[in-house]
Amino acid sequence: SYELTQPSSVSVSPGQTARITCSGDVLAKKYVRWFQQKSGQAPVVVIYKDSERPSGIPERFSGSSSGTTVTLTISGARAEDEADYYCYSAADNTLGFFGGGTRLTVL
Amino acid sequence: QVQLLQSGAEVKKPGASVKVSCKASGYIFADNANHWVRQAPGQGLEWVGWINNADGDTRYSPKLQGRLTITRDTSATTGYLELSGLTPEDTATYYCATNAFDLWGQGTLVRVSS
Repeated sequence: SYELTQPSSVSVSPGQTARITCSGDVLAKKYVRWFQQKSGQAPVVVIYKDSERPSGIPERFSGSSSGTTVTLTISGARAEDEADYYCYSAADNTLGFFGGGTRLTVL
Repeated sequence: QVQLLQSGAEVKKPGASVKVSCKASGYIFADNANHWVRQAPGQGLEWVGWINNADGDTRYSPKLQGRLTITRDTSATTGYLELSGLTPEDTATYYCATNAFDLWGQGTLVRVSS
């Protein structure tokens, strides 16, 4: 089945490293996108193809993959990084699916 | 200006249908595809469907298959999402986005209430 599992929440102090995981069998053969969504705003892609960073996204955002788990890492988290983060992947037939989302708290 | 501009908020009664539009500008609409994503109040993102604007090929979430129709009008550079048989569980903000999710509409709130 196509299911992506994320922790519901992650909390770090400013300057620490935040790691958010996304697990699912499909990730062994499919790429993941990571979205950041701040309150009242549309989502923004922060990582695509597991580890590629779009232009304009700070270097402190990085992604990695190992087997059926991908990880979004925010090195030196800032208060402005506080948001909901979602992983997303697509099946072979282009059907898409999101993880349940992770609330990142930086304080 | 590159943007996706969606239609305004809707209030519908249970059992009714709703049609949301998404007008693209600033890029070649027919060379791209669009996703539709929804988000219920206080909940996570849910992928709804996808359309290839070049040939009209579509993919729908199995959860909404049978109630959902996604179309496009290439001459108007506009995509459409139509959802029938609405229930309160369909209350959400509906977003359109480009194929790479690098551009999103502002969202359209659809509220289903008797």
